[in-house]
Amino acid sequence: KAGVTQTPRYLIKTRGQQVTLSCSPISGHRSVSWYQQTPGQGLQFLFEYFSETQRNKGNFPGRFSGRQFSNSRSEMNVSTLELGDSALYLCASSFSSGGPYNEQFFGPGTRLTVL
Amino acid sequence: EDKVVQSPLSLVVHEGDTVTLNCSYEVTNFRSLLWYKQEKKAPTFLFMLTSSGIEKKSGRLSSILDKKELFSILNITATQTGDSAVYLCAGVIQGAQKLVFGQGTRLTINP
Repeated sequence: KAGVTQTPRYLIKTRGQQVTLSCSPISGHRSVSWYQQTPGQGLQFLFEYFSETQRNKGNFPGRFSGRQFSNSRSEMNVSTLELGDSALYLCASSFSSGGPYNEQFFGPGTRLTVL
Repeated sequence: EDKVVQSPLSLVVHEGDTVTLNCSYEVTNFRSLLWYKQEKKAPTFLFMLTSSGIEKKSGRLSSILDKKELFSILNITATQTGDSAVYLCAGVIQGAQKLVFGQGTRLTINP
């Protein structure tokens, strides 16, 4: 079974631009979560989508948004980029959301550099 | 605010040594604690601990959870250079797919 895929793998943007990252979950998985990883803050939860609905949200500003499509693929958008948004963005998929915890499988990440 | 703290942040040992990594947590509606190993890319799952005092083992790795004192340890015996990685622990929030991660412990095994 193919793993979680993320595109693009690397991105370089400048301050003020916006960016869209994509995540394709493991086939059959309906929950997609996004995380930001930086050296200073570690891995931080951004949001989780299940059946095209945002079910959980972390403490990030409104510049960070996401969506999920009917095929469970998810996109994450960051508008008005700041230098501090430079990070590795990881997505993770799992079979379901809510109730007993289901193991999350992580993708390889998208490395975003903001200049 | 939910918080997971790992110690030490960095550890350098020689091949063959035994190491213990620590993870303490303050997570509202705590359900489980997870350990991951992260090399260059995606974190890979090691253990999920839900019950207190029950050790989980996988080869040279083992882990245990203490829900009274709110901490977990990850032990690696007879370390190998391939064990070099960042080890992450994360608290699972009850009823959600949300993980609260610690900062990670960067483990370096020298030959």
